[in-house]
Amino acid sequence: GAGVSQSPSNKVTEKGKDVELRCDPISGHTALYWYRQSLGQGLEFLIYFQGNSAPDKSGLPSDRFSAERTGGSVSTLTIQRTQQEDSAVYLCASSLLGTDTQYFGPGTRLTVL
Amino acid sequence: SQQGEEDPQALSIQEGENATMNCSYKTSINNLQWYRQNSGRGLVHLILIRSNEREKHSGRLRVTLDTSKKSSSLLITASRAADTASYFCANSGGSNYKLTFGKGTLLTVNP
Repeated sequence: GAGVSQSPSNKVTEKGKDVELRCDPISGHTALYWYRQSLGQGLEFLIYFQGNSAPDKSGLPSDRFSAERTGGSVSTLTIQRTQQEDSAVYLCASSLLGTDTQYFGPGTRLTVL
Repeated sequence: SQQGEEDPQALSIQEGENATMNCSYKTSINNLQWYRQNSGRGLVHLILIRSNEREKHSGRLRVTLDTSKKSSSLLITASRAADTASYFCANSGGSNYKLTFGKGTLLTVNP
């Protein structure tokens, strides 16, 4: 079956612009996660959704970051007023349950100039 | 956030040899997972071992878990050039959901 998909695969933006990153999880997966991978920080957890609610947003680095999930499926990660330090690969993953194997998408490489 | 540590950070071997990577973690866990990443993009799940398991096999992969030492190892037998990638361990701890990743081991298998 289809895996986790993310779009765009690459995004180049100017400092100060807003960006939206999209994640389509595997059909039927109730749990969805966003992670960020950067050279300096490695792989970091950002936010977790169970259905449409986000019980843990503790990994979001600042209030410029927000995410939503609708219909228990697609999720959008929004970064407002992007900064150069936001440059990273943003990875989305989904799983059947919170403790299950997580399946990752190919990621979105964000470059802020 | 707390992160585990993998060692070695980089490993270079010849095709056909075995590769062993180790991982340590700091918190109590529900399970420990190993992932592979090619070219800095998507992570591919390799194997999951639960906290009450000590060893698990999947094809050429063998994973061990020692909860008393808070450590795990991944063994790839009869390595191939296609196994060249970064390997990460990730643990799901008391939070029951989010993964905490180690820093990864870059494995290079030379043909």
